[in-house]
Amino acid sequence: GAVVSQHPSRVICKSGTSVKIECRSLDFQATTMFWYRQFPKQSLMLMATSNEGSKATYEQGVEKDKFLINHASLTLSTLTVTSAHPEDSSFYICSARESGREGQPQHFGDGTRLSIL
Amino acid sequence: GQNIDQPTEMTATEGAIVQINCTYQTSGFNGLFWYQQHAGEAPTFLSYNVLDGLEEKGRFSSFLSRSKGYSYLLLKELQMKDSASYLCAVKNSNYQLIWGAGTKLIIKP
Repeated sequence: GAVVSQHPSRVICKSGTSVKIECRSLDFQATTMFWYRQFPKQSLMLMATSNEGSKATYEQGVEKDKFLINHASLTLSTLTVTSAHPEDSSFYICSARESGREGQPQHFGDGTRLSIL
Repeated sequence: GQNIDQPTEMTATEGAIVQINCTYQTSGFNGLFWYQQHAGEAPTFLSYNVLDGLEEKGRFSSFLSRSKGYSYLLLKELQMKDSASYLCAVKNSNYQLIWGAGTKLIIKP
């Protein structure tokens, strides 16, 4: 089955640090990848849609200069949380959809738990 | 606006059957998904309905009625490991996935 690898699984760092999270589709090509954030006991919140070779589409209220997304290849998207602060602490999850299969389910990475001290 | 409604929390007994309902209002419809999410983990795909009717997959079944904007996830022979949140999500006409807030299912012995 389709596998999405997300790395790292956990990050603990000081306030002001920038953190990069990688999302890779291992056995399929993904023109589109999605970045979600989830606070404890809340549902998934879509932050942005990452499109290979073009600019990401951000949801309302998500700062694009704060959350930098790069989707340079059909198998890799990265999310960089710049100058992270404690309020950015959350569970970040990526998902990917196989190219040409818009009606099919998204496949999720295992998530990255980010803790900013 | 677009929204997905599902109960916040449900409790059931090990070995029993539970039905989790989901109603939706979206701009167009291109399929409904159910995901399972254990605490602290990413969601895993359970089922997909795009046509009316029942889709069965082992102990889990999912039903869809597009005219009513309604779906349910049916879990049979409940096991303790089924304790999780169950997320209903609908793909709209723009192929955007609209997520429900999830139903936390608590299984008691």
